[in-house]
Amino acid sequence: DSGVTQTPKHLITATGQRVTLRCSPRSGDLSVYWYQQSLDQGLQFLIQYYNGEERAKGNILERFSAQQFPDLHSELNLSSLELGDSALYFCASSVRGEASGSDEQFFGPGTRLTVL
Amino acid sequence: AQKITQTQPGMFVQEKEAVTLDCTYDTSDQSYGLFWYKQPSSGEMIFLIYQGSYDEQNATEGRYSLNFQKARKSANLVISASQLGDSAMYFCAMRRGGGGSNYKLTFGKGTLLTVNP
Repeated sequence: DSGVTQTPKHLITATGQRVTLRCSPRSGDLSVYWYQQSLDQGLQFLIQYYNGEERAKGNILERFSAQQFPDLHSELNLSSLELGDSALYFCASSVRGEASGSDEQFFGPGTRLTVL
Repeated sequence: AQKITQTQPGMFVQEKEAVTLDCTYDTSDQSYGLFWYKQPSSGEMIFLIYQGSYDEQNATEGRYSLNFQKARKSANLVISASQLGDSAMYFCAMRRGGGGSNYKLTFGKGTLLTVNP
């Protein structure tokens, strides 16, 4: 158990809908990252937050948004869902959100999103 | 831009034998970090080992060791005494070091390791 929690574990929805994925980082970790894992694209970085502020953006679609709250939990909002958004969405957390030292990222169990 | 290449889509190893999973990387950065993660069929991503670009010693964590050859830009994972529970997908990943704000992990496509009894 990495200490990172994600809810829900599975989500099935229809095209055009909007969903919210929730992540609680490990205790003491200030940085949260979101990744998408799909069969065709592999594991891709979406966005990073550090202590409530957006720090880095990756291949995140405009239909997707995220935020990190004062209690450090984070939510990823996916709207106008398309079939291609079906994927495993991971949240990861690290202590400092820096590039010095290992500051390894610990991953949650993921949310498997299926868009029908 | 950073790139990770894992050339072995699948590998087989006998239980109790050692296996090497290949990873090469491409970066123009002088400071960077290399990671290996394990993803069992259940889906979670498990951190295994880290190597910093300035670390002179190869990293080791229990049965895992990282064979870091900086000049060749390779960071191969060696698993000693394979166990059935090692059967999983293994991902090599890279992160920039130094200043700036780009702390994302860039992943390779993975290697599916199967340990045979």
